[in-house]
Amino acid sequence: GEDVEQSLFLSVREGDSSVINCTYTDSSSTYLYWYKQEPGAGLQLLTYIFSNMDMKQDQRLTVLLNKKDKHLSLRIADTQTGDSAIYFCAESMGSSASKIIFGSGTRLSIRP
Amino acid sequence: SAVISQKPSRDICQRGTSLTIQCQVDSQVTMMFWYRQQPGQSLTLIATANQGSEATYESGFVIDKFPISRPNLTFSTLTVSNMSPEDSSIYLCSGAGVTEAFFGQGTRLTVV
Repeated sequence: GEDVEQSLFLSVREGDSSVINCTYTDSSSTYLYWYKQEPGAGLQLLTYIFSNMDMKQDQRLTVLLNKKDKHLSLRIADTQTGDSAIYFCAESMGSSASKIIFGSGTRLSIRP
Repeated sequence: SAVISQKPSRDICQRGTSLTIQCQVDSQVTMMFWYRQQPGQSLTLIATANQGSEATYESGFVIDKFPISRPNLTFSTLTVSNMSPEDSSIYLCSGAGVTEAFFGQGTRLTVV
């Protein structure tokens, strides 16, 4: 069945880059997403990438997609304390943002 | 982007009772979904809310337990019926267009 996997924890020093990795199984996914969830809050869509793209950059965020290996990553440059959150990788099931399958989430913590 | 409002934001309920959660989207969206996020877990899709017809439920979720309505393109409700402590979770509504899916802040439900 469909599955999205990511590591549970990541700790980085403030000012460094954070790289959160994800693997997925459904090769027909058209869209892949990164969501951010801060404590006690809902999900915020950070960015998404279309499956025919290799990279997408948006300010401090860079998404890399390796479709052959079904590997997605999110790089956060100059990580700040406000970036502390859980980051969910997700894939669309099919050709639109219909059903979305989420990974387990990576808890990013920032150390001074 | 769509703004999604959920009510209530949180509730504490007695076991055996039912709670109806409302979801309002500020613009017409193609699809609406309901997810559950159990404590410390990722999101699991409960069902797709179909306008004017019965919702489509995922494996493990049934209409008798989670009746859903969607009377128009911008509004949906989820009822958690005959609650038990195992239903304590965050319930999130999602509205999706072609490329993006947005989430409400969630309803944090505690069943005692």
